[in-house]
Amino acid sequence: DAGITQSPRHKVTETGTPVTLRCHQTENHRYMYWYRQDPGHGLRLIHYSYGVKDTDKGEVSDGYSVSRSKTEDFLLTLESATSSQTSVYFCAIQRQGGTDTQYFGPGTRLTVL
Amino acid sequence: GQNIDQPTEMTATEGAIVQINCTYQTSGFNGLFWYQQHAGEAPTFLSYNVLDGLEEKGRFSSFLSRSKGYSYLLLKELQMKDSASYLCAVRDYSSASKIIFGSGTRLSIRP
Repeated sequence: DAGITQSPRHKVTETGTPVTLRCHQTENHRYMYWYRQDPGHGLRLIHYSYGVKDTDKGEVSDGYSVSRSKTEDFLLTLESATSSQTSVYFCAIQRQGGTDTQYFGPGTRLTVL
Repeated sequence: GQNIDQPTEMTATEGAIVQINCTYQTSGFNGLFWYQQHAGEAPTFLSYNVLDGLEEKGRFSSFLSRSKGYSYLLLKELQMKDSASYLCAVRDYSSASKIIFGSGTRLSIRP
């Protein structure tokens, strides 16, 4: 258990509405990540953070923004949700030292109608 | 860039052994991970290889050949609970804080 929670766990929304997903960690890790997972595509990186207010884009960042104002919280925002953003979203942290392994939160299932 | 290939689906029998292969192409290899993901759940870390050879952890072993860009995950004494997707992921020197995931291999265990 890497002490990661995500909220909400499930959400249904309509096209064009803003959506914010929250990732919260309790272990003070510097690196945090947002991925989406879709059938046939595996896990794809949306954005990641390497510290408070330090973020960078991943391979599928269009249509998403992130913020990290506190070490423990990493927010993912869909400014205007589209049906193509229907997916399962996973947050992850990286434990520094040794293997620098990433550990995942439980996920958020988002449906955009 | 990076490219990771693994079979989409595999089937095996309870009690048997199965090997899941992963090939990768990367400009600066810096470690390979295997994760297990049960349906509807988050990926969980299984193993990490950065040097050539076999890493054994109970019923699971992972092998790496850097010169061939090849890894496999070996599962022994298969149990029904091993039915899951297995994700191969690679880290590259050029992006030390990011890892790239393959699409995963869905393993089904039959009695």
